[in-house]
Amino acid sequence: DIQLTQSPSSVSASVGDRVTITCRASQSLSNWLAWYQQKPGKAPKLLIYTASSLQSGVPSRFSGSGSGTDFTLTISSLQSEDFATYYCQQANSFPYTFGQGTKLEIK
Amino acid sequence: EVQLLESGGDLVQTGASLRLSCAASGFTFSSYAMSWVRQTPGKGLDWVSAISGSGGSTYYADSVRGRFTISRDNSKNTLYLQMNSLRAEDTAVYYCAKGRGGWRDHLDYWGQGTLVTVSS
Repeated sequence: DIQLTQSPSSVSASVGDRVTITCRASQSLSNWLAWYQQKPGKAPKLLIYTASSLQSGVPSRFSGSGSGTDFTLTISSLQSEDFATYYCQQANSFPYTFGQGTKLEIK
Repeated sequence: EVQLLESGGDLVQTGASLRLSCAASGFTFSSYAMSWVRQTPGKGLDWVSAISGSGGSTYYADSVRGRFTISRDNSKNTLYLQMNSLRAEDTAVYYCAKGRGGWRDHLDYWGQGTLVTVSS
């Protein structure tokens, strides 16, 4: 199975900050990497698919980059509604796997 | 508008069986692969199973293979997860999720989840 390791596990930031979360895969994914946002008590929401494509309706302050084994999610200017947990997910091969999550908290 | 509505979650004892359902609307159900993903309260996401649009191809996580069966009824726009021989570690919120397009693809819409609690 492909292992995904996110870093950091948690991060504290302020509104307006730029935040970067990384996801490293145990083998090449090509570009089959997605990012999801989850708020407490809610289902995950797709933000970025195939590493860098912005899902419809997602604000442009979210961006993704990378290929192969190293990927990043960047939030260019944090808004209050962005405080949540973020997960990466690979769809390169079954079984799909998720990273362990990164909790973005208010500083 | 795409909607996914799970049902069937319950409190059951170890070794019991349960069938989850996911009613879909707002898209051509038979054209998209579907997945089940679970989340233990307070923990991360754990992919469980996927099925192709036609239902002809299925995949399972090792942790559920042989105990869980995914299926779909395209005439009813409904996805199912039959869960047998339930264990305490199967306790989780179960989400159904729609694939974006291809057989292997990311998950663009998710239901609200249904809670399965397995107690000894």
